[in-house]
Amino acid sequence: AQSVAQPEDQVNVAEGNPLTVKCTYSVSGNPYLFWYVQYPNRGLQFLLKYITGDNLVKGSYGFEAEFNKSQTSFHLKKPSALVSDSALYFCAVRDDPGTASKLTFGTGTRLQVTL
Amino acid sequence: NAGVTQTPKFRILKIGQSMTLQCTQDMNHNYMYWYRQDPGMGLKLIYYSVGAGITDKGEVPNGYNVSRSTTEDFPLRLELAAPSQTSVYFCASRPGAGGRSGELFFGEGSRLTVL
Repeated sequence: AQSVAQPEDQVNVAEGNPLTVKCTYSVSGNPYLFWYVQYPNRGLQFLLKYITGDNLVKGSYGFEAEFNKSQTSFHLKKPSALVSDSALYFCAVRDDPGTASKLTFGTGTRLQVTL
Repeated sequence: NAGVTQTPKFRILKIGQSMTLQCTQDMNHNYMYWYRQDPGMGLKLIYYSVGAGITDKGEVPNGYNVSRSTTEDFPLRLELAAPSQTSVYFCASRPGAGGRSGELFFGEGSRLTVL
């Protein structure tokens, strides 16, 4: 069975500082990894994904994520946080993007960026 | 392009009542999903569909039913509402192939309270 762990319920960072939101995963085959963001009272929005290729993936709004196979991690990063980045972030995994296999989500990490 | 549309946005039900949450997508996606989101629990998959006429259970299907008579529509039915079904429900869809394969497109959510 596939699973995702987001060890931090909340991450606090000052605007302008770099941010990292952690994610580790477990799958039986090759992992296909995703980050989604949820703003208050909205649905989830896709940020970025890793399917294959470069371990550093760039996505929307200046976010990037680093895939580390040996550590089974896919941490979300941004060099300089903005107050508007404050939201709930979900990591998700599946073992094949092209089939009906389902996406498993982590429990979410709330990012709070302050002035 | 409306994307994924869910109705209603809010609903209060009494225990034992029935209702249907509507979901429509206009992107011609084959795959559609229903998730529920509870605080601190992430998203749990209720039911999914790989195309018109085909549905299957997810992690938490008890108390729910779905149908998929067309590509566009994927309604979720609660037959006998229980307080444990108080949650925020999200419908999502995704393309089966191509560059955006694997990415889920979410609706805005339906907040259901059972009293």
